[in-house]
Amino acid sequence: DIQMTQSPSTLSASVGDRVTITCRASQGISRWLAWYQQKPGKAPKLLIYKASSLESGVPSRFSGSGSGTEFTLTISSLQPDDFATYYCQQYNSDFPWRFGQGTKVEIK
Amino acid sequence: EVQLVQSGAEVKKPGESLKISCKGSGYSFPDSWIGWVRQMPGKGLQLVGIISPSDSGTRYNPSFQGQVTISADKSINTAYLQWSSLKASDTAMYYCARVDDSGYHYGGFPLGAFDIWGQGTMVTVSS
Repeated sequence: DIQMTQSPSTLSASVGDRVTITCRASQGISRWLAWYQQKPGKAPKLLIYKASSLESGVPSRFSGSGSGTEFTLTISSLQPDDFATYYCQQYNSDFPWRFGQGTKVEIK
Repeated sequence: EVQLVQSGAEVKKPGESLKISCKGSGYSFPDSWIGWVRQMPGKGLQLVGIISPSDSGTRYNPSFQGQVTISADKSINTAYLQWSSLKASDTAMYYCARVDDSGYHYGGFPLGAFDIWGQGTMVTVSS
């Protein structure tokens, strides 16, 4: 099974900061990677699919990059609404699809 | 509006059975696979399995195989997750989510992210 490892686990940042979260796959997954945002008590929300494609309606301050085993999610200018937990997920041919352990973005 | 609406919270005793549901609307329900995702209290996300409402083809995470059953009734646009004998360790929030069909398939299942999520069903198992 493919393992997905996110770093950091927790990130403290201020409004306006540029934030980067990393996700590493234990083996190559091409660009079959998604990023989700989850707020307390709510369902996850898709932000990025196919590593770098922005889901409709998601603000352009969110961007994704990478391929193979290393991926990043970048928030160009952190907004108050962005404080949440972020998960990466692989969805290539290697089933079951797995999520990273999550990165909590907190207010500094 | 495209949405998935799940059944309400459940409180059960160990050994009891349970079936929770996920009803889709605003799109052609048979055309998209549905996944079930578990989130234990304070923990991360774990895929339980996926189902094609069109032909009820399923893929289970081996960690859940034999512990749960995923099914679907395309005539009423509804997918289900059921347990025959609940354990305390089944206590969790369960989400259903639609698999976005990227157009790529492998081994009979689509390669797609989860683009639409239900609101979640909290299952509590306690004696």
